[in-house]
Amino acid sequence: DTEVTQTPKHLVMGMTNKKSLKCEQHMGHRAMYWYKQKAKKPPELMFVYSYEKLSINESVPSRFSPECPNSSLLNLHLHALQPEDSALYLCASSQGVGTSGSRGDEQFFGPGTRLTVL
Amino acid sequence: AQSVTQLDSQVPVFEEAPVELRCNYSSSVSVYLFWYVQYPNQGLQLLLKYLSGSTLVKGINGFEAEFNKSQTSFHLRKPSVHISDTAEYFCAVSSYGAGKSTFGDGTTLTVKP
Repeated sequence: DTEVTQTPKHLVMGMTNKKSLKCEQHMGHRAMYWYKQKAKKPPELMFVYSYEKLSINESVPSRFSPECPNSSLLNLHLHALQPEDSALYLCASSQGVGTSGSRGDEQFFGPGTRLTVL
Repeated sequence: AQSVTQLDSQVPVFEEAPVELRCNYSSSVSVYLFWYVQYPNQGLQLLLKYLSGSTLVKGINGFEAEFNKSQTSFHLRKPSVHISDTAEYFCAVSSYGAGKSTFGDGTTLTVKP
């Protein structure tokens, strides 16, 4: 199974709502990532989890809260978002941060969650 | 620090013509290099990667890329494109131990009939 799944596919929320995005992989990967992507722009790294520990937080506002319950799952909890947070949120996984060998840091991406904040 | 520059933001080309999408990178250490493709409303898919060894790398869908260390480039090529190749293409660089990849701004490839 070389798939990364994300739910939901689409999400519309108000600025006072609390919602969560979910990501799952069963490739045995030990690194998982959250990206934000605006239209016609590259993915912007938000968080990296390595071996279920948060290893990189790219100065993301606290209204975004990541969680890694186990090595296969990654959540992104959303609270009090702003309209400018509307974007495609991508999850990715890789074999492991800083691993050597043939795979490097090749990332496998999910299809994304299209988030609209009203 | 690592960085990536994709030299063309948009590349229009006719069907069955050859295409080259250009990517230059900067890093103070050895790098891994990747090309990803993104079709509308989808996630990113790996086209090909350079980790070490042969500088000519072949990927999926007939794409190939050449790693040029002296010119710090990793240009993507296809000898004959199809309408279905219309998509956004991202070049990315990762250094061993960096923990993350850095993406270029993307190149929009539009294949016209």
